Amino acid sequence: NAGVMQNPRHLVRRRGQEARLRCSPMKGHSHVYWYRQLPEEGLKFMVYLQKENIIDESGMPKERFSAEFPKEGPSILRIQQVVRGDSAAYFCASSLGTSGRASEQYFGPGTRLTVT
Amino acid sequence: KQEVTQIPAALSVPEGENLVLNCSFTDSAIYNLQWFRQDPGKGLTSLLLIQSSQREQTSGRLNASLDKSSGRSTLYIAASQPGDSATYLCAADIITGYSTLTFGKGTMLLVSP
Repeated sequence: NAGVMQNPRHLVRRRGQEARLRCSPMKGHSHVYWYRQLPEEGLKFMVYLQKENIIDESGMPKERFSAEFPKEGPSILRIQQVVRGDSAAYFCASSLGTSGRASEQYFGPGTRLTVT
Repeated sequence: KQEVTQIPAALSVPEGENLVLNCSFTDSAIYNLQWFRQDPGKGLTSLLLIQSSQREQTSGRLNASLDKSSGRSTLYIAASQPGDSATYLCAADIITGYSTLTFGKGTMLLVSP
């Protein structure tokens, strides 16, 4: 039973380019969360999605960042016109549900984005 | 706004010692508290989840406790081993109707042989 998959594992972009990060949740999980870990900082919540719906994007920067979780396929975190400050590890997590033990989140290996 | 603090930031112990990692949170209205392990350059591995109605959870040499009234959780590691060396993160899941975790900055543990 594969865990949460993220790709690419490492991504290098020049300033101004676009970055697309993909996340496939665990089998049977329909709740997806994105977190960002900046150097020397803790993980910060960005966005929570269910299939075809953004439930909470309160942690996502208002500009340049967007997320989706289509009916078919992986969840995508998209960063337009990247800047050096976007360099970080981006983690995706999934859960079976939102109550009790079903709310336990399982994390992927992360995508390490470097902006040059 | 929920804030999670972990003390100490770093800990170095010889193999075989029992140790305690501390986590405190400002908003006691939490739903769950989760402890994770993160190895350098890797993702997070869930260790233990304590639901708000529970006081502790155990898995092997790990025991996590939760005291909502005082806003504290502890992770106890018995008979530490070099393979336990990693960063340990606690995360509080506030009551919103769905699950978004607020993380502490972690405790970096080094167990020397």
